[in-house]
Amino acid sequence: QKEVEQDPGPLSVPEGAIVSLNCTYSNSAFQYFMWYRQYSRKGPELLMYTYSSGNKEDGRFTAQVDKSSKYISLFIRDSQPSDSATYLCATPHIQGAQKLVFGQGTRLTINP
Amino acid sequence: DAGITQSPRYKITETGRQVTLMCHQTWSHSYMFWYRQDLGHGLRLIYYSAAADITDKGEVPDGYVVSRSKTENFPLTLESATRSQTSVYFCASSERQGMNQPQHFGDGTRLSIL
Repeated sequence: QKEVEQDPGPLSVPEGAIVSLNCTYSNSAFQYFMWYRQYSRKGPELLMYTYSSGNKEDGRFTAQVDKSSKYISLFIRDSQPSDSATYLCATPHIQGAQKLVFGQGTRLTINP
Repeated sequence: DAGITQSPRYKITETGRQVTLMCHQTWSHSYMFWYRQDLGHGLRLIYYSAAADITDKGEVPDGYVVSRSKTENFPLTLESATRSQTSVYFCASSERQGMNQPQHFGDGTRLSIL
């Protein structure tokens, strides 16, 4: 079992829709969770991170962690075509905080 | 420009050849990383370095060699390339240790091994 699982999609939604991207993780010791965004033929860039449980909001983006079910989510409100990218969840490995464990990534397309 | 740059952006080589991928960062970040990205596997850590002359294995180190003689450079060498090493390789850096420290990625090297 992978430590972080993510549905690779692809996911295609119309402009303006609310998008929900999800990951599950296996180790309850994981506490920090990150979302990276990767445009085509580019490297990933950090979008936002959360610690432990609860929600964190940044503009149109909300990251949510449910530790009881080991589930993390990224919601995008009022989605735009510029949000079309691959979204990767990640968490620092418990054996070394600098070693990130990534999900497979979900490819998202926002259709105008 | 400041940032992290990888070279070459594209490389085609043959099995058994040695190939070196270059990574250079201008931030003087302590930590540097090499990942490979494959369909179905996402990003997997190959090697990382906490400082000059300090390197350690990641999840998939076999067949790769790294060195870090200077803080700003972190080359990755495939000593005898195999087809299974065809992938997109990303270099990343982060300023210091800490769970909330972001990693900054280069734009990748697409490596094809025939």
